Amino acid sequence: QKEVEQDPGPLSVPEGAIVSLNCTYSNSAFQYFMWYRQYSRKGPELLMYTYSSGNKEDGRFTAQVDKSSKYISLFIRDSQPSDSATYLCAMRTAGTASKLTFGTGTRLQVTL
Amino acid sequence: DTGVSQDPRHKITKRGQNVTFRCDPISEHNRLYWYRQTLGQGPEFLTYFQNEAQLEKSRLLSDRFSAERPKGSFSTLEIQRTEQGDSAMYLCASSSPLAGPGELFFGEGSRLTVL
Repeated sequence: QKEVEQDPGPLSVPEGAIVSLNCTYSNSAFQYFMWYRQYSRKGPELLMYTYSSGNKEDGRFTAQVDKSSKYISLFIRDSQPSDSATYLCAMRTAGTASKLTFGTGTRLQVTL
Repeated sequence: DTGVSQDPRHKITKRGQNVTFRCDPISEHNRLYWYRQTLGQGPEFLTYFQNEAQLEKSRLLSDRFSAERPKGSFSTLEIQRTEQGDSAMYLCASSSPLAGPGELFFGEGSRLTVL
């Protein structure tokens, strides 16, 4: 069993829809939770990070963490075609600069 | 600041050959990471440098793989006696000690194809 599970999709939604992306994890030592976006043939770029249970909002993006259920989510409101990309969840334990463990990524397609 | 730079962007080689990838991190970043990403998968951690010291290596990094960061600036990742299973995207990332947890800046990757 992988430490981080993520549905690979693809997920296709119409422009303007609310998108929900999710990951589950098994390692209770994970303390920091990140969402990266990766466009085709590009490196991942950080969207958001959080370290506590609850919600964190940044513009159209909301990250949600439920440590008791070992479940994290990313919500995208008013989705745009430019949001079409692969979304990777990533996690790390506490400690200085420890490695990130990534999910497989969910491919999102926002259609006109 | 041009971001993390990787070279070459794409390398095609025959099985058994050696290949070397170079990474130039963002100039003020003292931490440098190598990850490997295969099709349909997320990046997998390979190794981590703080300045010139290699502080962590994954079990994925077999004896055929070696990484260096001789002066704490650029880094190289060498794969000896390549195998078809080495075909992947090799991603370099860097971060600043002032960055938030998990705030890595990735390059565009070096894609390796082993024939």
